[in-house]
Amino acid sequence: GAVVSQHPSWVICKSGTSVKIECRSLDFQATTMFWYRQFPKQSLMLMATSNEGSKATYEQGVEKDKFLINHASLTLSTLTVTSAHPEDSSFYICSAEKGGTNQPQHFGDGTRLSIL
Amino acid sequence: DAKTTQPPSMDCAEGRAANLPCNHSTISGNEYVYWYRQIHSQGPQYIIHGLKNNETNEMASLIITEDRKSSTLILPHATLRDTAVYYCIVANTGTASKLTFGTGTRLQVTL
Repeated sequence: GAVVSQHPSWVICKSGTSVKIECRSLDFQATTMFWYRQFPKQSLMLMATSNEGSKATYEQGVEKDKFLINHASLTLSTLTVTSAHPEDSSFYICSAEKGGTNQPQHFGDGTRLSIL
Repeated sequence: DAKTTQPPSMDCAEGRAANLPCNHSTISGNEYVYWYRQIHSQGPQYIIHGLKNNETNEMASLIITEDRKSSTLILPHATLRDTAVYYCIVANTGTASKLTFGTGTRLQVTL
């Protein structure tokens, strides 16, 4: 159990376009999901916490108008990178928390975004 | 959240036990120790977590010292597929618990 799916796994776009990434918890409900970004040879950096039915909480330095997060249901959160530029090229990873005490987060397999 | 310190890299022969250490001397009483690993170009995979007692599951064992200032992840019989970056993270459990990833330990399992 505790499977998290991301889509797409890989996307290449032209500069200036917007890209939507989906994160789904397949076999559990997740009131909270997290979005991370990972640049080559670096560790994961938390971008934002996505809460079902409310606004996301962004980490310091992450532009909320550029990285739009929507968590409309207990099994789906989306991250939209608006007006993407080459510097936004990265590996974007989501995680979902099953809820309740003593439950770990489970991660998706990531989305590799390349902006030309 | 408390910070963790891990060696940057380790080697292990296939079939041998891999023992990955982690220091977390500033851990607080309500923080758990989590271990994840990341195989190249994939999302992190949950391995195990614990509060103060030793834990074991089908993947690994977690040994936490009595003072909780350090822990060791043990992969009892390492295989080539265990080659990955292993992250030790301390965090509160429960809703909206942020995980802060450090640089981890790159474990290379060799023939």
